[in-house]
Amino acid sequence: SAVISQKPSRDICQRGTSLTIQCQVDSQVTMMFWYRQQPGQSLTLIATANQGSEATYESGFVIDKFPISRPNLTFSTLTVSNMSPEDSSIYLCSVEDGTGGVYGYTFGSGTRLTVV
Amino acid sequence: KQEVTQIPAALSVPEGENLVLNCSFTDSAIYNLQWFRQDPGKGLTSLLLIQSSQREQTSGRLNASLDKSSGRSTLYIAASQPGDSATYLCAVLSGYSTLTFGKGTMLLVSP
Repeated sequence: SAVISQKPSRDICQRGTSLTIQCQVDSQVTMMFWYRQQPGQSLTLIATANQGSEATYESGFVIDKFPISRPNLTFSTLTVSNMSPEDSSIYLCSVEDGTGGVYGYTFGSGTRLTVV
Repeated sequence: KQEVTQIPAALSVPEGENLVLNCSFTDSAIYNLQWFRQDPGKGLTSLLLIQSSQREQTSGRLNASLDKSSGRSTLYIAASQPGDSATYLCAVLSGYSTLTFGKGTMLLVSP
């Protein structure tokens, strides 16, 4: 299965600043997904990133707050902009992964963000 | 809209016990169901993937079953160990790459 390298693993940031999270996949993938996991909650999809096109954002998430880049088929970044304490969460990237018609999802190791 | 519920929310057992985690979903039109493990503050590790046409999957001490018609899945962990302590998440794939997660079951296995 695919291996995803995500960094940073954690960060503590001042409110009003921005943080860019990177995900590198060891194989070419069509779609990459970005999730947020707020404290005590499950995962919520932020957006889907396709190479060569604009990311598709889920309801409640906007490009100005969470700009995404997808410059090639193995890499993507998510920026959390103008941060507030409410943005403190774990952010995860994911790819669809599989062979022989059996597809599941592989996740990065997560970025634990604390905004103070 | 697909909704996924996991019961119990938390579970504490002594080492060596067999245990069952439950997952239910509201829309039976799914492609597959995946069980994940999440350690505190970390990412997700895939444990088992069950396709909609399958009834169960096994990996080591883990066995996951799927009853699509009733909208239920169970994760059975045999002979639990302290290293199994983590949050277990159930996720169903329905629609176009739409993965819906439950809130998870937090498992603590005490020595």
